[in-house]
Amino acid sequence: EAEVAQSPRYKITEKSQAVAFWCDPISGHATLYWYRQILGQGPELLVQFQDESVVDDSQLPKDRFSAERLKGVDSTLKIQPAELGDSAMYLCASSLVGGAPTDTQYFGPGTRLTVL
Amino acid sequence: AQSVTQLGSHVSVSEGALVLLRCNYSSSVPPYLFWYVQYPNQGLQLLLKYTSAATLVKGINGFEAEFKKSETSFHLTKPSAHMSDAAEYFCAVSGGNNDMRFGAGTRLTVKP
Repeated sequence: EAEVAQSPRYKITEKSQAVAFWCDPISGHATLYWYRQILGQGPELLVQFQDESVVDDSQLPKDRFSAERLKGVDSTLKIQPAELGDSAMYLCASSLVGGAPTDTQYFGPGTRLTVL
Repeated sequence: AQSVTQLGSHVSVSEGALVLLRCNYSSSVPPYLFWYVQYPNQGLQLLLKYTSAATLVKGINGFEAEFKKSETSFHLTKPSAHMSDAAEYFCAVSGGNNDMRFGAGTRLTVKP
C-alpha cells in the first residue's frame, strides 16, 4: 500500500537554529499539504501545493518558514530561525487531484519537532 | 468559512460499550465532513467522509456517522468498543476546495 513518507520522524533543535523536514507524497498525487499540529489541538494547514505551485500559504509564517516543491513531487519545509513556539508535530498529506470533495487526503507519520 | 466543534476532549468507555463522539459544524456552503483517527506519534487515517450522498456514512473498523443538517451535527458512533479503538479522533469540515478545518480532537479511552 502506497504511503506518504516523512523524515526525520523526530527532531530536537535549539532556538535560532535552522531545521528542515522532507515529505514524499504518494506517487501520482498532484496536491501536497503541510500541516502543523500543536499538542492537544487539531492540524492547521500551513501550505498547499498543486504540482509545483503554491495554492494556499496564507497561514505560513513567511518571516521564518519556507516551503518548496521544485519538481512537483517531494517537498521540503524549512524553519529559520526556530522559536520555542514552533514545537509541534508537522504533518504532510497528499491527495490525487485536490479541490474535489471526494478527494481524500492521505497523511504521513509526521515529524515531531522540539525546540529547546 | 467553515469550522467544527468537538464536544468533549476526553471520552472513556468500557470495552463492548457504545462509542459516541460528538461533532458539530458551521459552514456557509454545503459542507463535506470527515472523521480521522490518530494513534500516538502517527499521522491521521481517514475513517469516513460525507460528501452529500447518503446521510448515514459507514467507515472502516465498524465506525459510522450520520449527517444531520437540522442539528448541524456529524456524530461518530460504533456499537461495541474494542481496546484497539483507543486513539485521538478528529472531525473536519471542508467547503469543497480542500480548505479542510479540523476540530481540537477527542481522546477515546477504552477500559477493559
